[in-house]
Amino acid sequence: AQSVTQLDSHVSVSEGTPVLLRCNYSSSYSPSLFWYVQHPNKGLQLLLKYTSAATLVKGINGFEAEFKKSETSFHLTKPSAHMSDAAEYFCVVGPRAAGNKLTFGGGTRVLVKP
Amino acid sequence: EAGVAQSPRYKIIEKRQSVAFWCNPISGHATLYWYQQILGQGPKLLIQFQNNGVVDDSQLPKDRFSAERLKGVDSTLKIQPAKLEDSAVYLCASSLSASGGAYNEQFFGPGTRLTVL
Repeated sequence: AQSVTQLDSHVSVSEGTPVLLRCNYSSSYSPSLFWYVQHPNKGLQLLLKYTSAATLVKGINGFEAEFKKSETSFHLTKPSAHMSDAAEYFCVVGPRAAGNKLTFGGGTRVLVKP
Repeated sequence: EAGVAQSPRYKIIEKRQSVAFWCNPISGHATLYWYQQILGQGPKLLIQFQNNGVVDDSQLPKDRFSAERLKGVDSTLKIQPAKLEDSAVYLCASSLSASGGAYNEQFFGPGTRLTVL
């Protein structure tokens, strides 16, 4: 079984300041972990993924996430927020092997203030 | 490369009516998924197809929901009859394959927003 908890339903940041979105997971096996972004009226887009290599994962648009097995966490960060980062972000846990079944967190809505 | 296409983008119906959504995956993608995303929640997998066969439909409410992918390409999701709680965005996704060893990225369509009155 697997589950994922996003600790903040809403995050508000000022443009140019750091962004931190928190995610904790639970999995009965060694998981794959992902962050997806969803802009209004757009499809979900993959930001980054962790499968089994480096624990610090770099994604698109300056985002990165660190896999911490001891803390069962996979927090997403960006050093400097841009107005275009305003969107909903989903932390997702899935299997490393076949099956591709993904379990989504509840989402964190990011507001960027000018 | 064309993405996952879905239609219609929006649909408003009254409860007890029926509705159908269509999805055309990325060319060459063997696996197709339908998700339900209720407002304020993350997407939940309803059904997964590998070519034209069902891999997982454990969370599909089979008394009212049905889906098919007859030729292993595009797919239709139907709700009959609709209930108020079916109001949600229905997302379609596709990936190269869900079999074999490695994870294959799922690519999502823009979704169909269903409102049941």
